[in-house]
Amino acid sequence: DAKTTQPTSMDCAEGRAANLPCNHSTISGNEYVYWYRQIHSQGPQYIIHGLKNNETNEMASLIITEDRKSSTLILPHATLRDTAVYYCIVRVAYNQGGKLIFGQGTELSVKP
Amino acid sequence: EAGVAQSPRYKIIEKRQSVAFWCNPISGHATLYWYQQILGQGPKLLIQFQNNGVVDDSQLPKDRFSAERLKGVDSTLKIQPAKLEDSAVYLCASSLGHGSTGELFFGEGSRLTVL
Repeated sequence: DAKTTQPTSMDCAEGRAANLPCNHSTISGNEYVYWYRQIHSQGPQYIIHGLKNNETNEMASLIITEDRKSSTLILPHATLRDTAVYYCIVRVAYNQGGKLIFGQGTELSVKP
Repeated sequence: EAGVAQSPRYKIIEKRQSVAFWCNPISGHATLYWYQQILGQGPKLLIQFQNNGVVDDSQLPKDRFSAERLKGVDSTLKIQPAKLEDSAVYLCASSLGHGSTGELFFGEGSRLTVL
């Protein structure tokens, strides 16, 4: 599975959009980009995933560049409850043996 | 729908003692995972089960760690004897398995402190 690079920490003002970048320059054609987050003292929580196209769900949007070497997770209106560590993970599909390997993640602090 | 259940939430033991953690995955989830999360780090995969068979235990320190999932439902992770460096949160996760999107559902974890 390809490695990812994320900033160690970021701040965001409450109510503003939080844009979390992730570099995955060695991603392969069959690897998906997954995002999870971990709120303090809880287990990680799935947010969103994508292969090539941009994706949106009730939690966030995922923008993947055309060359797939980087992506951005967007929380459109960040709240204090979005303060967490956000993990960007690249993996092949489950049925191809893909595993969820966590890196250090980005610690997002949403401030009033 | 009930989530992944883990117990105990907290455990304090002295080094060289033993400890066991229990996990009950979401009903119908074929795949079960144990992760170890040391303070300040991301979770590290220890072992993955598909039903009651082991898919991957390459990162499990087998000299002291063991895990089983006898009936393909709940699972137990044991550490014997514990070392100071085993202090961590032990996270259990489950997923549907084949045909799933790969989304894992995590429990709240069991925090182990080894003195």
